[in-house]
Amino acid sequence: DAGVTQSPTHLIKTRGQQVTLRCSPKSGHDTVSWYQQALGQGPQFIFQYYEEEERQRGNFPDRFSGHQFPNYSSELNVNALLLGDSALYLCASRENRAGNTIYFGEGSWLTVV
Amino acid sequence: QKEVEQDPGPLSVPEGAIVSLNCTYSNSAFQYFMWYRQYSRKGPELLMYTYSSGNKEDGRFTAQVDKSSKYISLFIRDSQPSDSATYLCAMSDRGAQKLVFGQGTRLTINP
Repeated sequence: DAGVTQSPTHLIKTRGQQVTLRCSPKSGHDTVSWYQQALGQGPQFIFQYYEEEERQRGNFPDRFSGHQFPNYSSELNVNALLLGDSALYLCASRENRAGNTIYFGEGSWLTVV
Repeated sequence: QKEVEQDPGPLSVPEGAIVSLNCTYSNSAFQYFMWYRQYSRKGPELLMYTYSSGNKEDGRFTAQVDKSSKYISLFIRDSQPSDSATYLCAMSDRGAQKLVFGQGTRLTINP
């Protein structure tokens, strides 16, 4: 049973560019959340998707947007990249009706130069 | 003031010691409490999940929640070098919704 999978694992972007990160949830999970983890800090909630809609959002600017597809996979898009966007981006999934536990992927390391 | 406070350490103990990790929080609406373990450059791995107050034990790990004091703990017995990692506490006010994390405590177990 595959867990939460994310791609790419590492990437380097230039300030001002745009980036798309991808996530496939754990089998049987229909709810996907994204978190940003800066070095030495705990993860910060960005937003959550369920039934292809954004259900909850953290304190992140509109440059951060997302999408969920009918197969429950998800994308995180960040526009106009800033140096401060350099972080580990984590995808997490759970089963909406029954799951009270959240499982994380290995993350995508984004470096903005 | 952060919603969840966690001593970042680092914490270094000898192999076999009992380790105590703690978090305090300010939001009385939190009901679900989790501990994650994160190895270097990896994603967080769920260790313990607790609802409301009380204790929960799983092998060498024990999680305690004291909602009256807004204080949670994770105890590791017979610590092993493989337990060396960053430990993150996390909590939410509704089941598996937005998680609020502590900063993480970096733990090293010395052989």
